[in-house]
Amino acid sequence: GQNIDQPTEMTATEGAIVQINCTYQTSGFNGLFWYQQHAGEAPTFLSYNVLDGLEEKGRFSSFLSRSKGYSYLLLKELQMKDSASYLCAVSVSNDYKLSFGAGTTVTVRA
Amino acid sequence: NAGVMQNPRHLVRRRGQEARLRCSPMKGHSHVYWYRQLPEEGLKFMVYLQKENIIDESGMPKERFSAEFPKEGPSILRIQQVVRGDSAAYFCASSQVGGSPSGRGPYNEQFFGPGTRLTVL
Repeated sequence: GQNIDQPTEMTATEGAIVQINCTYQTSGFNGLFWYQQHAGEAPTFLSYNVLDGLEEKGRFSSFLSRSKGYSYLLLKELQMKDSASYLCAVSVSNDYKLSFGAGTTVTVRA
Repeated sequence: NAGVMQNPRHLVRRRGQEARLRCSPMKGHSHVYWYRQLPEEGLKFMVYLQKENIIDESGMPKERFSAEFPKEGPSILRIQQVVRGDSAAYFCASSQVGGSPSGRGPYNEQFFGPGTRLTVL
């Protein structure tokens, strides 16, 4: 299996920046996904990284370093609606199931 | 274009009863995945199905749990003789293609349904 670690909780103020780290140990790495999940709702796709580097998409950016087994999700200009759980998930070669971390609950305060 | 549909959204069962969870994939998707999410834990893969075929059920308990995805109709996750430990949120996801993503997108993005929250009394 894959070991995927991310912090349990983070708190930040509206307008600030928060970085959620994710480390993983896997063989045959074939991509890392970030999902957002509001309480009681479905996870929704945020980003996908398979090559090293930064992928920017509006207020959200995701970074990957395959050699370090490390990714982060950067949330900028935080809004109250960004309060949610953020899930890091890894895909491996010749496999289709996603292996998820436990999720990071981000709380945005006014 | 409707997303992944799951019903019921909430299901309460007493120990020993059966639970049936339904999932209708997005239009045009023929690959369905079931995940279970226990409180304070991440999503855990259970089973991957294509129409009329179970491709991988390695994450599903051998006893009491079964899944199907018939030619017509939704995918069904069935839990027989439920126990309190089965209480969880069960999410279904669907994708347009199966297998692993290759290279840099497009990839095998899985779209998730809203989940069924099963409570066993």
